[in-house]
Amino acid sequence: GEDVEQSLFLSVREGDSSVINCTYTDSSSTYLYWYKQEPGAGLQLLTYIFSNMDMKQDQRLTVLLNKKDKHLSLRIADTQTGDSAIYFCAETGGNNNDMRFGAGTRLTVKP
Amino acid sequence: DAGVTQSPTHLIKTRGQQVTLRCSPKSGHDTVSWYQQALGQGPQFIFQYYEEEERQRGNFPDRFSGHQFPNYSSELNVNALLLGDSALYLCASSLGRGGKFFGPGTRLTVL
Repeated sequence: GEDVEQSLFLSVREGDSSVINCTYTDSSSTYLYWYKQEPGAGLQLLTYIFSNMDMKQDQRLTVLLNKKDKHLSLRIADTQTGDSAIYFCAETGGNNNDMRFGAGTRLTVKP
Repeated sequence: DAGVTQSPTHLIKTRGQQVTLRCSPKSGHDTVSWYQQALGQGPQFIFQYYEEEERQRGNFPDRFSGHQFPNYSSELNVNALLLGDSALYLCASSLGRGGKFFGPGTRLTVL
């Protein structure tokens, strides 16, 4: 079946940039998403990118997509302690009905 | 805009019992998807409802069933509960196949 993989942990210092990486296997993916989950909470949609784009920027967030390598990344500029959370990469197939998630990357921001 | 709401927030059941979880979509959204998130994992797609019909289903047994009402709200029913059904159940709404917004989830514990 189709898989989405992410590294499990990332630790950065406050003010540094964070880069969270994700790889996926479904070549028919149409949308790719980044969600943030804080302890005990649901998922917050951060940003998404269409598969025909290679970059999207939204304030401190930059998403890069390498469709050839099926690699997606999320860069958070000037990372703050409030950015500490679990970040999930997700992709949808051609029908965009279901959504497949990675296991999540736990970002820890140290002061 | 209240966003996606779910009830109850927490629930404790025993093996063999049945449970009903509820979801109200974000205003203007007509599509509801349900996900199961086990501890330490990413969400897994259960099914999606659109126009009161199940449009797509993930790899979950028939013990998991759902319903969508004319006002687009939805219920998830799980029969014959197993210990392994303990998880955070997330509801996501969207307008058609657009970006999915998640509710805070219902934490189900099966004893």
